[in-house]
Parts: sequence; structure tokens; C-alpha cells
Amino acid sequence: DAGVTQSPTHLIKTRGQQVTLRCSPKSGHDTVSWYQQALGQGPQFIFQYYEEEERQRGNFPDRFSGHQFPNYSSELNVNALLLGDSALYLCASSVTPGQNTDTQYFGPGTRLTVL
Amino acid sequence: QKEVEQNSGPLSVPEGAIASLNCTYSDRGSQSFFWYRQYSGKSPELIMSIYSNGDKEDGRFTAQLNKASQYVSLLIRDSQPSDSATYLCAAADSGGGADGLTFGKGTHLIIQP
Repeated sequence: DAGVTQSPTHLIKTRGQQVTLRCSPKSGHDTVSWYQQALGQGPQFIFQYYEEEERQRGNFPDRFSGHQFPNYSSELNVNALLLGDSALYLCASSVTPGQNTDTQYFGPGTRLTVL
Repeated sequence: QKEVEQNSGPLSVPEGAIASLNCTYSDRGSQSFFWYRQYSGKSPELIMSIYSNGDKEDGRFTAQLNKASQYVSLLIRDSQPSDSATYLCAAADSGGGADGLTFGKGTHLIIQP
């Protein structure tokens, strides 16, 4: 049973650049959520995708955008990178929201460093 | 604003003893609660979920929920050095987690051999 996968593992970018991170959900899951985890902090919710639409967004600027594909995989895009965007980006998958099963399983994460 | 509070630690416990981790949450609308374990440099790994008041046991782990006090705890019995990690408490609303999980900052647990 394949778990949540993310790519790439590590990424180094410079300020002002754009980055795309990718996630494939756990088999049988159709909902993908993205989180940002700064060093020493808990993960912060960015947004959630279900049925190829953004279902809910946390307190993140529009520089953060996403997409979900028909096969349920998802991308996170960050434009105009800032030094403060350096973090571990986590993807979590779950089954259809509202069906009393909201447990989220995390992928290994992508470590983004902005120089 | 929804908040989950945890003591950051470190919490040091001798091997074989019971480790007790606690968190409180601010949003009374929260219905689902989760404990994740995170080793340094790794992603969070689900340990337990709890939805109803009372205790839920799974092996060496027991989660406790008190919605009236807005309090969640995790007990680890017979602590092992491999239990040394950061433990994250998370809460979700009643909408199937659509607002995302709200995490605490985590408690750093050290099991002393």
C-alpha cells in the first residue's frame, strides 16, 4: 500500500524565484492538504484540495497557490520567494471530507531553502 | 483564532516509566484530535486519533480527551529510548478537517536509558 509521496526531497532557491512542489496521496485517498513547518514550530495549514478545487485556505498570501489533478495528485506553487518561505513543506492526504474520517497522513516533506 | 497549546519541554522521562504529554485547545467547535510523533528532520507520523470524551488505548499509548476542559493528553507506558521525539497535538473542526488541522508547537520528549 503506497503511502503519501512528495517530490523533490530538497530544494534550494533564491529570493524572487518561483517553486513547484508535488504530492501524490495515499492509495484510496482523494483529499490533499498542504502545510508549512518552520523550524521549531508546528505545521501551519496552507490549503486543502478536494475534487480539483481549493476547499479551504489558511492564513497564507496569494503567492501560495495550488492545483489538484484528476488522479488526486497535487502541486503547491510559491511565487516571489522570500527568505521566510524557507521551511519543511508537508503534504497530507485523507479520504473525502465530511464522512467522519478526517485522519490525515503525511508525506516525507520537501525541505525548501531560500537564499 | 484557533489555538492548540503544548508545553515545548524538553520533558525528560526515565526508560520504563510513563510519559505524560498534554495539550489544550481554544476552539470549542473542535471535534477530532490527533497525536503525531515527529523525529528530527522527518515528517509527522500519526500515533492516535480520538473523537469522544474518555480514554482510548492502543498498545503502549493512551489518549485522553476532556471536551469540557478542552484538554487532550497522551500517555506512553513503558517508555523506550525510541520514543524520544517531538509529539504534536492537533485539532480539527467538525467539517471533516476542511479547515485543516491546527497544531501545537510540539513537546520534545527525551527518554533517558
